[in-house]
Amino acid sequence: GENVEQHPSTLSVQEGDSAVIKCTYSDSASNYFPWYKQELGKRPQLIIDIRSNVGEKKDQRIAVTLNKTAKHFSLHITETQPEDSAVYFCAASRRGATNKLIFGTGTLLAVQP
Amino acid sequence: EPEVTQTPSHQVTQMGQEVILRCVPISNHLYFYWYRQILGQKVEFLVSFYNNEISEKSEIFDDQFSVERPDGSNFTLKIRSTKLEDSAMYFCASSAAVGSTGELFFGEGSRLTVL
Repeated sequence: GENVEQHPSTLSVQEGDSAVIKCTYSDSASNYFPWYKQELGKRPQLIIDIRSNVGEKKDQRIAVTLNKTAKHFSLHITETQPEDSAVYFCAASRRGATNKLIFGTGTLLAVQP
Repeated sequence: EPEVTQTPSHQVTQMGQEVILRCVPISNHLYFYWYRQILGQKVEFLVSFYNNEISEKSEIFDDQFSVERPDGSNFTLKIRSTKLEDSAMYFCASSAAVGSTGELFFGEGSRLTVL
């Protein structure tokens, strides 16, 4: 069935360092890959997304890369700040057929000041 | 900025009781969803709803669960006879469309505790 694996489960970095979170999806028909940030007790909020016709997308300190052949996608956060500390979820979806999101297991990012 | 709103924010119930969780999606959205998140785990899809009917549901969404859009604004999730394992945060979401413009907007969640 559909599955999204996410690594690492926890990530601790020093302020100013980069953080990389990786996901692998199983459904080759997936064509939309959003990343959500969830602060403790809050709703998931979309921070960046990428569609399957694009290999890379950047928004200020955040970038996402997609390797369709390997079915991998990654989130890159540069110049991390303490307010980046949260749980990050990747997800995959078949846009056009459904908006159902299959989420990864989450990465707890801790940015140490 | 328009938001998805959910009530209650927290509900405590006894096992076997019925629970209704309520959601008000963003007003011009057409697609509605329920997801759940057991404490410390990932967010899991339950059901999607469009044009007054279920469009897709997961294995979790068994006969104990139902959804309804009783009027033009509310979208509800009912659990008929709650079990301990139903304890979770339940997120409602809505989107304007499927396809390239169909970003999902999540509500703040309803925490359900079954004792």
